[in-house]
Formats: sequence, C-alpha cells, structure tokens
Amino acid sequence: NAGVMQNPRHLVRRRGQEARLRCSPMKGHSHVYWYRQLPEEGLKFMVYLQKENIIDESGMPKERFSAEFPKEGPSILRIQQVVRGDSAAYFCASSPRRTSLFFGPGTRLTVL
Amino acid sequence: AQSVTQPDIHITVSEGASLELRCNYSYGATPYLFWYVQSPGQGLQLLLKYFSGDTLVQGIKGFEAEFKRSQSSFNLRKPSVHWSDAAEYFCAVKGSGGSNYKLTFGKGTLLTVNP
Repeated sequence: NAGVMQNPRHLVRRRGQEARLRCSPMKGHSHVYWYRQLPEEGLKFMVYLQKENIIDESGMPKERFSAEFPKEGPSILRIQQVVRGDSAAYFCASSPRRTSLFFGPGTRLTVL
Repeated sequence: AQSVTQPDIHITVSEGASLELRCNYSYGATPYLFWYVQSPGQGLQLLLKYFSGDTLVQGIKGFEAEFKRSQSSFNLRKPSVHWSDAAEYFCAVKGSGGSNYKLTFGKGTLLTVNP
C-alpha cells in the first residue's frame, strides 16, 4: 500500500506566479489535511477536506489560497500570486477516519 | 485552545546514551498525543500515539513515551540512541471533541547524535 504521495517535491516560483501542489492520499483514505511548515517552526494546520467537501479551512489565508479534493484525482492546494512569505514546506496528510494521520514527504516551495 | 510546548530546541547526545525529549501540552479535556520524527528533507513519520489506557506507550524504533496527566506532559524516551536517530522530533496534540481532526504541533526538538 503506497503511502501519501505529493508532487512536485520541490517547486520554484517567481513572485506573482501560481503554485499548484498535489496530494494523493493513501488508498482507502477519504480525509485529507494540508499543513504548512515555516522555517524553524512546527507544522500549522491549514485545511481539512473530505471528498468534494471542505470541512475546515480556518488555518488557510483568506486570500490567494484555495484547496480542493475532487471526486476523482488528487487533492490540490493552489496558491495564486505567490509572495516570498509563501516559501515553506507544505505537507499533506490523509486518514481513513478522524484518527491517526499519515503524512506525505512534502512539497518545498521556494518563491524567488 | 490546545497548544504544545517543546522546551528544548536542540539536544545533543552521544551514541548509546539514553534520551528524553520533553513535551508539555495544554488542553482542557483528555487529549490525543503523538510523537512524529522528521529526517532532513523528509516527511513526518509517526513514532507513537496515546489515546487512552496504559499511560506508557511503546512505539517504533525502540521509542516509548509516558503520559502524565498531573504534569500535562508526554515525554519521549529511548534507552540507547543510535546515530540514525538524528532528526527533528515533533510532539503533537489533537482534541477529542468537535475539532478532533486538527493536530497542533510543537516547534520541534532537533536531535544531534555524536559518535
């Protein structure tokens, strides 16, 4: 059973561009979570999704950030018009229920 | 609101020595507690978790943690550290109520292992 997969692993964008981060949960997991890790910080919750539904997006900035988890395909975290402060590692996690989370390897976003 | 404090930012131990990483949490009810390990450039791997029952929890790679409600602590221990244990360790808490999906992490403790 493959683990949580994220791509790309590294992403470089210039200020003002869009960043799209993808997450494929573990097989059988219908709950997906996105966390952000800033340098020298722990992970911070961003958003929790179940298939086609956003359950809690309280940790996600109101502007420029959006997330989706369509019926088919991976979950997508989208950041529009990136700024330098968006540089971070973005981790996706999945779970079969609201239990232990299994994390992916992360996408490291660098904004030039 | 729940919170986690890891008082030690960086710890250095010699290979073969014992290890204890501290974690204190703040949560009004019975918490769910976790320890994760992150190797450089990697994702987080779950070491162990506490939901209920026995307060001494065994995990992978020879790690254990003890839940002490009176001290609001969940310290991670290992009797003999190996060089491959060098990594960053994160303690996390999850509520048992309505927001029981949201993990709150500490800032992490970086472990260096000397030969």
